[in-house]
Amino acid sequence: GAGVSQSPSNKVTEKGKDVELRCDPISGHTALYWYRQRLGQGLEFLIYFQGNSAPDKSGLPSDRFSAERTGESVSTLTIQRTQQEDSAVYLCASSPRINYGYTFGSGTRLTVV
Amino acid sequence: TQLLEQSPQFLSIQEGENLTVYCNSSSVFSSLQWYRQEPGEGPVLLVTVVTGGEVKKLKRLTFQFGDARKDSSLHITAAQPGDTGLYLCAGAEAPGTYKYIFGTGTRLKVLA
Repeated sequence: GAGVSQSPSNKVTEKGKDVELRCDPISGHTALYWYRQRLGQGLEFLIYFQGNSAPDKSGLPSDRFSAERTGESVSTLTIQRTQQEDSAVYLCASSPRINYGYTFGSGTRLTVV
Repeated sequence: TQLLEQSPQFLSIQEGENLTVYCNSSSVFSSLQWYRQEPGEGPVLLVTVVTGGEVKKLKRLTFQFGDARKDSSLHITAAQPGDTGLYLCAGAEAPGTYKYIFGTGTRLKVLA
């Protein structure tokens, strides 16, 4: 597609359940990023991929969070044993090269009840 | 970790007024970007500045990168209701990095 696509757009889950969030980047974009945005706040870096490798996982909040990317395309962010503090909008972005800027998806709004 | 602080945090102005939003850090950035985010959407890139002292204009928006590449400003002339949104600056931690650190954001509301 022409833009970055994320699914689902909204997800409500019970505390303790696992969730998977999906990101389809722009075709040909080698870099893919995951950010978290809590209500009314800025963006918190989680992880980025260059190709299928993740050189920087420093932003993942805990070992309950993991991410993978395959075929230099789709990426999945998995949160295990969700907690209420995981409630946020999870944004995915992709970029073709350095200093080019990101194209963001519309995000997945995760609510843990 | 480099931090980017934006000011003001909130701004509510009347249509037609001018405004300036600031993005400051104690660290040097190799490049800096400005984004605008509307409710329910992801941020949209407005501009990238790379050279210290660089000024870029996008219609009624003027972006400046500080000479020392530690700060930036966004000036909007004759604000319109369509300018309403969350403005975010983002800095590249190091040359050649794909990773940008985002500022705390300025929430702008322009009243008709």
